[in-house]
Amino acid sequence: KNQVEQSPQSLIILEGKNCTLQCNYTVSPFSNLRWYKQDTGRGPVSLTIMTFSENTKSNGRYTATLDADTKQSSLHITASQLSDSASYICVVSRSGNTGKLIFGQGTTLQVKP
Amino acid sequence: DAGVIQSPRHEVTEMGQEVTLRCKPISGHDYLFWYRQTMMRGLELLIYFNNNVPIDDSGMPEDRFSAKMPNASFSTLKIQPSEPRDSAVYFCASSLGGAGAQNTEAFFGQGTRLTVV
Repeated sequence: KNQVEQSPQSLIILEGKNCTLQCNYTVSPFSNLRWYKQDTGRGPVSLTIMTFSENTKSNGRYTATLDADTKQSSLHITASQLSDSASYICVVSRSGNTGKLIFGQGTTLQVKP
Repeated sequence: DAGVIQSPRHEVTEMGQEVTLRCKPISGHDYLFWYRQTMMRGLELLIYFNNNVPIDDSGMPEDRFSAKMPNASFSTLKIQPSEPRDSAVYFCASSLGGAGAQNTEAFFGQGTRLTVV
């Protein structure tokens, strides 16, 4: 069964600290993995997209890693800011030009001053 | 480009009424997606179009739901009759290329928060 599991479900950290969010997937055949950030009351916004051959990709203070062998990904946030408070959603797509994106349930991050 | 534009942002309606949600995709994008988001189930794909043609509507929950894309710049999602369990945030997204294509980014609208009372 094609699934995407994220952990933790929620996380609270202090401003300035780093954190890492996890994503495990069982989607096959794999095409790409995306991390989205969703602010409260807004639509998801793409942070990174990684294909099978990519191990890491950065977008500012966000760094995503991908281990296609173990089917795991992580999103590392460096020097967190209050504006990082949001839900972070891991999304995996299967090979082939289809519309099927398989979504994780998301990790809700709260950054406190 | 202003991005994906959805209307209305909020909709409150009574059970049994017809609801129509609207979406304007990013110009030039050939894929359009309708999603529903709830606390319990997260984001779910309802239907998607490629070049205005519905490709996969297996996510549409019931016959009460229908979607159209009469042209490349406009799509509607209609619920008739609406029920309280339809209450959710409905997102429209568009992309250049399908989800399985390499490095294809999907851009989401701001969503329509639907409340059926």
